[in-house]
Amino acid sequence: SQQGEEDPQALSIQEGENATMNCSYKTSINNLQWYRQNSGRGLVHLILIRSNEREKHSGRLRVTLDTSKKSSSLLITASRAADTASYFCATDRAGSYQLTFGKGTKLSVIP
Amino acid sequence: GAVVSQHPSWVICKSGTSVKIECRSLDFQATTMFWYRQFPKQSLMLMATSNEGSKATYEQGVEKDKFLINHASLTLSTLTVTSAHPEDSSFYICSARPRAWVSDTQYFGPGTRLTVL
Repeated sequence: SQQGEEDPQALSIQEGENATMNCSYKTSINNLQWYRQNSGRGLVHLILIRSNEREKHSGRLRVTLDTSKKSSSLLITASRAADTASYFCATDRAGSYQLTFGKGTKLSVIP
Repeated sequence: GAVVSQHPSWVICKSGTSVKIECRSLDFQATTMFWYRQFPKQSLMLMATSNEGSKATYEQGVEKDKFLINHASLTLSTLTVTSAHPEDSSFYICSARPRAWVSDTQYFGPGTRLTVL
């Protein structure tokens, strides 16, 4: 069953601006991952944050995790047109490595 | 490293025929492979979990007799959509979890777009 919910569903920003996407989930997790999908293509793994971590950085990406609120955010700084894609959060099922994906945020970065 | 391929990348078939989709881990051995389905503008839904040498575990609501999964080796899993119908048209994506790595990361294939006429 789907448990991740991202918001906003769609986000349109100008190049150079920051983009923030949020994800909420319902059950306990071991970790939360963010993926990117260009239209009609496979998924690219962006970043994984474990349940005992609160913040993680990777290049222009910053992910936070609040397990008390069962929520996470993905921040893309200094966005580029090439960042245009759909972004999904995914949570694992404890002990199984099966992922449950959120509905995704479609990000459009306007040059 | 950690590349997963899928074949074919797209397929169009007539209603009632069967279609086989291959998922290969090219440079690692995968203990477990996962199959997802994605309808247009929607998220990925896990269909089944495939472990090498054993029967696949299907998610609730996924018909195991319609979506046959075979994980014959540590680098290959196949999904066969039997007696396909237009409602089976979707984007099918596999992922693989490396055997030897202590990692929670899965690596995804590029997907196969199935269109059933």
